[in-house]
Amino acid sequence: AQTVTQSQPEMSVQEAETVTLSCTYDTSESDYYLFWYKQPPSRQMILVIRQEAYKQQNATENRFSVNFQKAAKSFSLKISDSQLGDAAMYFCAYRSVFTQGGSEKLVFGKGMKLTVNP
Amino acid sequence: NAGVTQTPKFQVLKTGQSMTLQCAQDMNHEYMSWYRQDPGMGLRLIHYSVGAGITDQGEVPNGYNVSRSTTEDFPLRLLSAAPSQTSVYFCASSRGLAVQAGNTQYFGPGTRLTVL
Repeated sequence: AQTVTQSQPEMSVQEAETVTLSCTYDTSESDYYLFWYKQPPSRQMILVIRQEAYKQQNATENRFSVNFQKAAKSFSLKISDSQLGDAAMYFCAYRSVFTQGGSEKLVFGKGMKLTVNP
Repeated sequence: NAGVTQTPKFQVLKTGQSMTLQCAQDMNHEYMSWYRQDPGMGLRLIHYSVGAGITDQGEVPNGYNVSRSTTEDFPLRLLSAAPSQTSVYFCASSRGLAVQAGNTQYFGPGTRLTVL
């Protein structure tokens, strides 16, 4: 079974600075998807960024980028120019490409609370 | 599009009561899932559906039932509520097959359930 580990339960960053959130995962599969989700106090789960394991190029979405190290099974999220609105819980998640019954099952890490200081 | 909607937003039950958490999506997504979120546990999959009439168990299915009579709706039923089911429940949906790119899950706003 796949597992996702977020070893840092909390981090803080100064506004306008850069912060990196770490995530490691364990799998025996060669192809899969990795995601970062943001959960603000409203509790809504919001997709931040997605990475396909077969792609060597790291995904980027505006101020958010990932450092995907497939051999090390590492998937970190970098937030540049941090804003107060970035304060939230961040979850790393894994999904197989081929899953039993075609399930879209996501395996989540335990999450990390990011505080942005003005 | 309203996306994924969930009702109610908050609910308090007594032990042994039953209730249904509603989930609906208007994106014509085939896949729908229910997760629960507990402190320090991340989100865990309860049940999922790959289309109308097809459901299967996830990681923590005990105490919950689901059905999928339409593409749009995927209700989650608590048969006899227990304090261990106090949690925040999220419904999610996504489109297409696992092999297709852009297969992102969209989450509802969640239901906070307390069982006394």
